[in-house]
Amino acid sequence: EPEVTQTPSHQVTQMGQEVILRCVPISNHLYFYWYRQILGQKVEFLVSFYNNEISEKSEIFDDQFSVERPDGSNFTLKIRSTKLEDSAMYFCASSGLADANVLTFGAGSRLTVL
Amino acid sequence: AQSVTQLDSHVSVSEGTPVLLRCNYSSSYSPSLFWYVQHPNKGLQLLLKYTSAATLVKGINGFEAEFKKSETSFHLTKPSAHMSDAAEYFCVVTLTGGGNKLTFGTGTQLKVEL
Repeated sequence: EPEVTQTPSHQVTQMGQEVILRCVPISNHLYFYWYRQILGQKVEFLVSFYNNEISEKSEIFDDQFSVERPDGSNFTLKIRSTKLEDSAMYFCASSGLADANVLTFGAGSRLTVL
Repeated sequence: AQSVTQLDSHVSVSEGTPVLLRCNYSSSYSPSLFWYVQHPNKGLQLLLKYTSAATLVKGINGFEAEFKKSETSFHLTKPSAHMSDAAEYFCVVTLTGGGNKLTFGTGTQLKVEL
């Protein structure tokens, strides 16, 4: 069964450092998303991406965050200058045209900011 | 605005007994509702979805859920629990035809005992 793959599975970084989380969505999907879950809290929507541009973003997704689809297969989330409160599990997801609101999620990337 | 409330943060059942995980939703418009499951170190896996067709929805692994508009509920059930069902379960809502931003509940941790 097709999977969404995320790397790294766990990253530890110092406050103020830049972090890039990588995702390989399902190959024929056209919609891409990032969600995050701070420990003990709800899974929260960050951003959705379609046709090479952001289609929707939450209040969390401020200027410190950016997303990119640098080639035909990868979808990345960059945090420019990490803060302690960015520590969370970050989930990438994708969906196809036929069933656009049925998302397939990756296993997540755990980010720890020290 | 839309939201879901998962009424139990933890549920414990014995193997072979029924499972009931409760979810109430709030949505201004026609909602699409989902249940996702997360096993340790795995991604969020779709169990089932309701998108305004049949109100009783069957999913994978013997799970089903019933959409009850009068009660604004979408409870997840399974007639007989298996050890492998132990995981965290998320009730999720989005607007039908209104974009793919998912709103998650806080999750219910299901424990299955021998």
